[in-house]
This record gives sequence, structure tokens and C-alpha cells, in this order.
Amino acid sequence: EDQVTQSPEALRLQEGESSSLNCSYTVSGLRGLFWYRQDPGKGPEFLFTLYSAGEEKEKERLKATLTKKESFLHITAPKPEDSATYLCAVQASNDYKLSFGAGTTVTVRA
Amino acid sequence: GAVVSQHPSRVICKSGTSVKIECRSLDFQATTMFWYRQFPKQSLMLMATSNEGSKATYEQGVEKDKFLINHASLTLSTLTVTSAHPEDSSFYICSASLQGGGNTIYFGEGSWLTVV
Repeated sequence: EDQVTQSPEALRLQEGESSSLNCSYTVSGLRGLFWYRQDPGKGPEFLFTLYSAGEEKEKERLKATLTKKESFLHITAPKPEDSATYLCAVQASNDYKLSFGAGTTVTVRA
Repeated sequence: GAVVSQHPSRVICKSGTSVKIECRSLDFQATTMFWYRQFPKQSLMLMATSNEGSKATYEQGVEKDKFLINHASLTLSTLTVTSAHPEDSSFYICSASLQGGGNTIYFGEGSWLTVV
């Protein structure tokens, strides 16, 4: 069974204080690892898909990296608008559905 | 702009009635759509996978007679909660992918269901 574990559960940052979120996974063959941002009461917003170890993708202050066992989402010099819950999900090679982690709730104070 | 649209965004219904939630892919044809349920401060729980023109595949523990899913076209899937009860109150979210998975899976804005 696919498993996704995100840490920490919550992260409080000062504006400009860079940090990283972790997503550890076990899957029977990885088709893709997905990162989403979710604001309260909203659907998840797509950020990145990573496919193979060593791959990196960037979008504004966010950078996602992937190894064979985990993925990191780095937030560089965060701003209050980066406050959200960040969700990690994996897609196995033999299926198309996503298995989600519990998420990391990030709060950035001005 | 949104590429997956859900309607309604909020609905209140009486216990025992049925309610339908629509999920539309706006900019592409989605051969596969997924329905999730999310409780407060919890992650998304997959309910079922909906394939255009065929029966939905339900996850273990999800009652298929209670949560009816129809994917009649490449741009529309519907979730009908039948004989709703207060415990069915939740945030329901759909997602859509191109060609059975693709490399980007977009989510709708979600639908809040309150059963009174």
C-alpha cells in the first residue's frame, strides 16, 4: 500500500525565514510525485509534478526536489501570502489515483 | 483561471434528500475524474475514480449506492449523495486528468455539503 508522510505537521515562519517541508513516501513504482497548495475552504492548487530522483522544479519562492524516498519543498524568503497547507501526493506506476499525505500547514508572520 | 469547476460551491439539504454535485473540466477533455472527501483539518480521502463511459471504481469502505457517480461525457462528472444524513456533511472535491493520469491533475474548488 502506498504511504505518504509529511513533516512537520505545522510550521510557523517569520517573513523572510527560509525553510523546508518534507514528504517521505513508499510506493510500488513511482509514476509521479505531486505538490499542491491548499487554502482554507478551497480545493488544492497544483504546484509541481516530479517524476524521477534528482529532478528539481521551481516556481517563484518554491522549489521542489525528489529522491527515491522523499521530496522536499523549499520555501525561500517566504511572505505572508505563502501561508497555506502544502500537500504531497504520489501516483503509482500501476494506477492513476493520488495518495495524499496529511499536509504541512505553513504560517508566515509579517 | 480555473480549469476544473465544481457546482454548487455550497449546498444545504435536508436529511433524507439527495443532492448532486457537478465537476466540469473547462479547458480539456478528462477521460478520468476523481472524487475526494475532506474533513476539517484532515487530508483528502479518495472516494472513487470515474472513467468516461464506464462505471466508477470505488475505494474500499465507500458505499457506491449512496455516492452515485456518473461520468457521461469527457467534460462532466457528477456525484450524487443519496438519502443524505448529517454524517455526510463534508467538503467534496473533484479532480480531473487528461488521458487517464497525465502529468498534471487539477482540482476543483470544492463543494461544501451540509445536511440538516
